[in-house]
Amino acid sequence: DIQMTQSPSSLSASVGDRVTITCRASQDISSYLNWYQQKPGKAPNLLIYSASSLQSGVPSRFSGSGSGTDFTLTISGLQPDDFATYYCQQGYSTPMYTFGQGTKLEIK
Amino acid sequence: QVQLVESGGGVVQPGRSLSLSCAASGFTFRTYAMQWVRQAPGKGLEWVAHVSFDGSNKYYADSVKGRVTISRDNSENTLYLQMNSLRRDDTAIYYCAREIGGGDYAFDIWGQGTTVTVSS
Repeated sequence: DIQMTQSPSSLSASVGDRVTITCRASQDISSYLNWYQQKPGKAPNLLIYSASSLQSGVPSRFSGSGSGTDFTLTISGLQPDDFATYYCQQGYSTPMYTFGQGTKLEIK
Repeated sequence: QVQLVESGGGVVQPGRSLSLSCAASGFTFRTYAMQWVRQAPGKGLEWVAHVSFDGSNKYYADSVKGRVTISRDNSENTLYLQMNSLRRDDTAIYYCAREIGGGDYAFDIWGQGTTVTVSS
């Protein structure tokens, strides 16, 4: 099974900050990496697919990069609405998918 | 609008069965692969099961294999999850999700979730 490891597990930041979350795969997954945002009591929301493609309707301050085993999600200019938990998910071993453990982004 | 609505959750005793449903609307359901994803209280997301667009291929996480069956009725635009021999660690919110397709293995539409609590 492909394991996905996110870092950090939690992060404190301020409105306006630039934030980076990292996701590492246990083996090469090419660009089959997706990012989701989840707010308390809500379903996850797709932000980025295929490592760097912005999902329709997602603000351009969200961006993704990486390939192989190392990936990053960057939020440029944090907004109050961005404080949430973020998950990566690999699509390489389709359809046996796995998620990272999550990164909780909190207000400093 | 494009929507998934789950139902069927509840409180069930260990060892018993439960059937979840996910009603799809606003898109051509029969052309999309679908999944179930769950989230235990205070925990992260766990992929549970996948069914191909036509129902011919089904895959399961090791944690539920042999106890869970995913199915779909494309004439009714509905996805199902039959769960048997439920265990306490099956307690979670269960989400159905649409696979985006086109060679991108992401989930672009999610339901609001239905809660399953396994407790005596």
